[in-house]
Amino acid sequence: NAGVMQNPRHLVRRRGQEARLRCSPMKGHSHVYWYRQLPEEGLKFMVYLQKENIIDESGMPKERFSAEFPKEGPSILRIQQVVRGDSAAYFCASSPGTPVGTQYFGPGTRLTVL
Amino acid sequence: DQQVKQNSPSLSVQEGRISILNCDYTNSMFDYFLWYKKYPAEGPTFLISISSIKDKNEDGRFTVFLNKSAKHLSLHIVPSQPGDSAVYFCAARRTGNQFYFGTGTSLTVIP
Repeated sequence: NAGVMQNPRHLVRRRGQEARLRCSPMKGHSHVYWYRQLPEEGLKFMVYLQKENIIDESGMPKERFSAEFPKEGPSILRIQQVVRGDSAAYFCASSPGTPVGTQYFGPGTRLTVL
Repeated sequence: DQQVKQNSPSLSVQEGRISILNCDYTNSMFDYFLWYKKYPAEGPTFLISISSIKDKNEDGRFTVFLNKSAKHLSLHIVPSQPGDSAVYFCAARRTGNQFYFGTGTSLTVIP
């Protein structure tokens, strides 16, 4: 049973470009979470999605950031017009849902904005 | 506003001794608590969890204690091993499946 997969593992973008981060959840998991880890900080919740639905996006910046989890294919975290402050590690986690609540994390995508 | 706090950024323990990692939270609506372990350049790995209706959960060398009145939980590792050296994150779940993470404690187990 493959774990949570994220790609790319490393992404370099220049200011103003777009970054697309992909996450394939574990087989059978229909819940996906995105987190951001800035240097010297903990994991910050960004968004929680189920298939085709955004359940909670209270942790997402209001502008430039969007997420989706289509019926088919991976979940995508999209950052438009990236700025240097977007440089961070972005982790995706999947869960089978309630009542377990336990999340399984991918290896992360390290985004560097030049 | 940090709802889950790990006030010790680092901890060093001698191999074979007990490691105690602490975590405090502010939201009484949290119903589930988890500990994750993270190695550099990897994603966090689930370690152990506890429901808010319990005060202790044990799994091998790892035990989590929950004190709801103090809004405090701790992770005990005994005996500590060098392979336990990692960053440990405490997390709490609010109903609705939103999770809040602490800032982590870096544990070093000295051989």
